[in-house]
Formats: sequence, structure tokens, C-alpha cells
Amino acid sequence: QKEVEQDPGPLSVPEGAIVSLNCTYSNSAFQYFMWYRQYSRKGPELLMYTYSSGNKEDGRFTAQVDKSSKYISLFIRDSQPSDSATYLCAMSATRNTGNQFYFGTGTSLTVIP
Amino acid sequence: GAVVSQHPSWVICKSGTSVKIECRSLDFQATTMFWYRQFPKQSLMLMATSNEGSKATYEQGVEKDKFLINHASLTLSTLTVTSAHPEDSSFYICSARGVRQRGANVLTFGAGSRLTVL
Repeated sequence: QKEVEQDPGPLSVPEGAIVSLNCTYSNSAFQYFMWYRQYSRKGPELLMYTYSSGNKEDGRFTAQVDKSSKYISLFIRDSQPSDSATYLCAMSATRNTGNQFYFGTGTSLTVIP
Repeated sequence: GAVVSQHPSWVICKSGTSVKIECRSLDFQATTMFWYRQFPKQSLMLMATSNEGSKATYEQGVEKDKFLINHASLTLSTLTVTSAHPEDSSFYICSARGVRQRGANVLTFGAGSRLTVL
């Protein structure tokens, strides 16, 4: 079983739609949950991260973590064509437990004008 | 805050030559840096982890003599592809872990370097 599972998509939505991106994981030691956006031929850009459980909101983006279900989500409200990219989830334990970061395979999103 | 600069963004070289890619943390000290390789439409493949002042730790299957990694300071790591061949053509991305918001364990990535070996 992979440490992190992410549906690769592709996902195609009309402009203005609410987008839901999800990842599941198996390691209960994970404490940091990151979402990255990667445009074609660019490095991943950190959108937001959450520590432990709960929600975090930043503008049109909301990250949710449900540690009991080992399930994380990223919601994008009022999606724009500029949101078209690949979204990667990533997870890690605490700094003291080592350098391992685990990535999902990425979900390709296209927002149609 | 937490900006990682990577260059060159694009390099073309002849087969048999060596290419150096630099990764700098601009506004924080990066005690650990990671180098990834990414093929088209695929996820990140970790190549090696480097800690400042010590030898890099390479992932299984990555040739340490071909991909030389140096992390001589808290703000700079370099990847040198030695005697490059066309099969080394790829997108290389560095990332750094520093101190963010009370020691959060998150990564910041560079913009990536596209290597084409003719």
C-alpha cells in the first residue's frame, strides 16, 4: 500500500465551480499536510499547509484534514482558468522524526472558461 | 518568505559534458535540501537528500558518481550531472526545508531546471 494515494484525474470543471481535491494516507504519524500547485514546466508552489487536524482557509482555498479517516481535502471556490494546474498533496511527520516527505501523484485540473 | 531560487531554468548541453544546477534559499537557512527528478506527466522522484556540511544520501538506483550533490552552506546546494547522456534529459527540481513558523516541517521548491542533453 502506498503511503499517500491521490486520484490523478484529470479533472475538468467549468469556471466558477467548486473543486474538491482529495488524498488518503496510511501513516498515522503524519502531522503536516501540504498542498502544492504545479504549473507545466515549473516547480511546485506551496499553497498551504495544515498541522494536525482541522481546517485552514486562505482566500478561495480551504484545506481540511480528518486524521481519524486519514483523509485530506483541498477545496477551491469560484475556480478560475488560472487554477488549471496539477495539485500535489504531501505529508510529513515532525521535524524530529526525520526527513521523509511523501507525495501524492498529483491531480490534473482544468478550469474551462 | 521562504523563497528558493534555482538556476539555470533551462540548459542544453552536448553528450559527455557536465552540467551544474544551483539551488539557493534566499531568505532562510536550509539545513536540509532535496533533489528531485520529474518526467513528463509523472510525479516527483526523490534522488537525494543533502544536509549542510555532510555527504548526501542517495535513493536506491541513483548513481552518486553521476549526480554529484554538494551542500556546502546553509543557503546553497548544487547538483552536478557528470558526463551527461541523452537519457539524463529531464526536469530537475530542488527543495529546501528550513525554519518556518515555529519549525513546521514543510518544503519549499525551486522553479526547476530543464536539462536537455544532445
